[in-house]
Order: sequence, then structure tokens, then C-alpha cells
Amino acid sequence: AQKVTQAQTEISVVEKEDVTLDCVYETRDTTYYLFWYKQPPSGELVFLIRRNSFDEQNEISGRYSWNFQKSTSSFNFTITASQVVDSAVYFCAPGATGTASKLTFGTGTRLQVTL
Amino acid sequence: EAQVTQNPRYLITVTGKKLTVTCSQNMNHEYMSWYRQDPGLGLRQIYYSMNVEVTDKGDVPEGYKVSRKEKRNFPLILESPSPNQTSLYFCASSGQGTNTEAFFGQGTRLTVV
Repeated sequence: AQKVTQAQTEISVVEKEDVTLDCVYETRDTTYYLFWYKQPPSGELVFLIRRNSFDEQNEISGRYSWNFQKSTSSFNFTITASQVVDSAVYFCAPGATGTASKLTFGTGTRLQVTL
Repeated sequence: EAQVTQNPRYLITVTGKKLTVTCSQNMNHEYMSWYRQDPGLGLRQIYYSMNVEVTDKGDVPEGYKVSRKEKRNFPLILESPSPNQTSLYFCASSGQGTNTEAFFGQGTRLTVV
């Protein structure tokens, strides 16, 4: 069974600050995906990023970047120059069996961005 | 527009009265899943389906049933709802391949009194 730890329950930042959300996972699968989803106050789940377990290259996409380190089972997510619209709950979720069909979600990190 | 549609969005029911939450996707995805979200627990998978007539239990299947008679539909059935099934429910679908992600429905907030 997979397990996810998002140790930060809640983070508050001022707009334009950078913020990093931590995620540590456990899995027995040799091939898996890692996802980050965002849940704004309206309640829907929004896909943010996906990383394959065999690809440790870290990337930047706009204001989002991520740091995947297989050796430490961490998949951290950074928002650069945060904005009020980034206020949401963020979930880290590894997917078993190399698909997105069985996601194990962390308990989430609530990010509050204020002016 | 690619989407996963759940109905109803909100439901209040009484203990023991059978109910069905419908889920439909228009992306021809093979995989579909149901999750429940409770405060402090994140989302937990109830059931998932790999294709038509193929389903399997997730982490919290007790008290729920599912069926996959058509590829696009994956209803969640509560035969005898209880108050501990009060929760926010999400349906998700995903395809095969290397560039896949789970698409989620808008959620169904269920209250069992």
C-alpha cells in the first residue's frame, strides 16, 4: 500500500512570496506516477503536475516548479511569486500500477496567500 | 469539452434509504474511480474500474457498491446509507498511456441523517 505525508497542514504567505509544499511518499511499486492537485475554495480538484518515477528531471512550468528526488521519496512543489488566487488546499498523490487509476492522497496542505 | 459529470451535486437523505450517485465521462477513458473526502483525511479511494465489467475495491469499500456496464458510466450505489457515509464524493476517470492524469467530477456532497 502507498502512503503519503504532507507534514505542513497550513501555510500562510504574503503575495509575491515563494512557497514550497512538501510531500514524502512510500510505495512498493517500481513504476509509478506522482501528481499534485489543487482544490480551491469552490471545491473542484484541479490537476497541476505529473511526474513519472523513472524521470527525475525537475522542471518549471510558469510559476510552478517541482523537485522530485527518488532517493528520498520526496516530491516537493514550489509556487513562485504567489498570488491570492493560489489560495487553496494542495494534495500530493502517487498513483499505483503506473496509471492514474489508483491515487493515494495526502491529507493536503492549506495555502493562504494574503495581500 | 472533456469532462466528468456527477449527479446530484448535493443530496440529503435518511438512514437506510438506497441511493445512487451517477458519474459519466466523455473521454473514452478505461479507468474510473470513486473517492470520498473527509476533513483531515484527504481523499480515499472507494472503488475503481479498469474497464467494462471489471471493478475492484479501493481502500474504503464497505457500504458501497459500483457497476460498470458501459464504458462511460460508473454509478456509486449506497444500498443502506448510514450517517458515517456523510462525505464529499468525487468520481474520476483516466486513460492508459504515459501522459495520463485523473480528471475529477465536480463532487457530490452527501448528508445522511
